[in-house]
Amino acid sequence: DGGITQSPKYLFRKEGQNVTLSCEQNLNHDAMYWYRQDPGQGLRLIYYSQIVNDFQKGDIAEGYSVSREKKESFPLTVTSAQKNPTAFYLCASTGGWVNTGELFFGEGSRLTVL
Amino acid sequence: GDSVTQMEGPVTLSEEAFLTINCTYTATGYPSLFWYVQYPGEGLQLLLKATKADDKGSNKGFEATYRKETTSFHLEKGSVQVSDSAVYFCAPTDSWGKLQFGAGTQVVVTP
Repeated sequence: DGGITQSPKYLFRKEGQNVTLSCEQNLNHDAMYWYRQDPGQGLRLIYYSQIVNDFQKGDIAEGYSVSREKKESFPLTVTSAQKNPTAFYLCASTGGWVNTGELFFGEGSRLTVL
Repeated sequence: GDSVTQMEGPVTLSEEAFLTINCTYTATGYPSLFWYVQYPGEGLQLLLKATKADDKGSNKGFEATYRKETTSFHLEKGSVQVSDSAVYFCAPTDSWGKLQFGAGTQVVVTP
């Protein structure tokens, strides 16, 4: 079945370590997004990519990095520079132009910094 | 700038009660409006949408009408079930066409 797969579902890391969250989609979507969700808050956009080899910063890009080498894949690296990385991370994609608004989401990855 | 405000939760209801979740937004132009639902431990799913004024989106017994004059998109369901317990997000598109999410409203339905 088509969809978006995020891995791992749960991840623990020590302070000072970089971690990479995987996001793969087989929906043939052009645009992909990374959001961060904190308890009691809405989703905040970290990075997004509309085409391969191109991406833009969202509202809270500091301490994060991404790549878009393949249409299907949009990994997110949480670097040691991110001051408060413990959160729920959601990857999403859309098939049309960015302004359709209809996003398809993965199941999320929960990162805990020990 | 653009913003979205939705009522705070948690909203606790008994089964078969009427549910309303208010959502208002500020935006330039003519945004598209969406409601997403998040069940525990999962990602978000599109619940319904409306793309122009006076449109009514509906799905699974939920409805919301695009009210441009009041810049609102309130979500309603006439008779909730325990399975409707989730977090609901109002999400208009911003000036650049990207979704902006409200803080979410947790709904708890008790038997």
